[in-house]
Amino acid sequence: EIVLTQSPATLSLSPGERATLSCRASQSVSIHVAWYQQKPGQAPRPVIFDGSYRATGIPARFSGSGSGTDFALSISSVEPEDFAVYYCQQRSSWPRTFGQGTKLEIK
Amino acid sequence: QLQLRESGPRLVKPSETLSLTCDVSGGSISSTDYYWGWIRQPPRKGLEWIGSIYYNGNTYYNPSLRSRVTISPDTSKNQFSLKLTSVTAADTAVYYCARHCARAYCGGDFDYWGQGTLVTVSS
Repeated sequence: EIVLTQSPATLSLSPGERATLSCRASQSVSIHVAWYQQKPGQAPRPVIFDGSYRATGIPARFSGSGSGTDFALSISSVEPEDFAVYYCQQRSSWPRTFGQGTKLEIK
Repeated sequence: QLQLRESGPRLVKPSETLSLTCDVSGGSISSTDYYWGWIRQPPRKGLEWIGSIYYNGNTYYNPSLRSRVTISPDTSKNQFSLKLTSVTAADTAVYYCARHCARAYCGGDFDYWGQGTLVTVSS
């Protein structure tokens, strides 16, 4: 089973600042990492797939990077609506696994 | 527009079987391009993939739940279901159904989700 480790657990930023969230895989997953945004009481929303491709409707301030074992989700200038929990997930192999999440909170 | 909707009992007694159905509209569970899966989220915790089914009936389960999980399709109703046996309080969670990619490139992985349903295990 591929374990995904996200860091930091919590990221406290002010609107307008840059956010960088990390996801590390226990073995290579090629580019097959997706990122999801989840707000309280809502289902997860796709943000990035296959490492760097933005999902439908996701603003350009979101970008993804990485391959192999190290991945990052960046938000160039955090907007108030971006404060949420973000999860990474791999589709390289079964079982599908998720990271434990990073909470992006308002400073 | 693809839509998924979970339904089933919201309260299940310990040691009994949790049963949920995911109704799919706007797309077919017989598509060769996608898996159809279940994910759960205990209160205030992260996401856990439970298992998925493919159009040909192949199933894939989380090893930690494999002995208790069955996912099955009903192509006539365009639905798929989840059964989790011998439940305990640790199975209390929001259960989501979702579609995810079965090809080398799909334009997304878990790209459509149901709204989720909270199932509580309690006597």
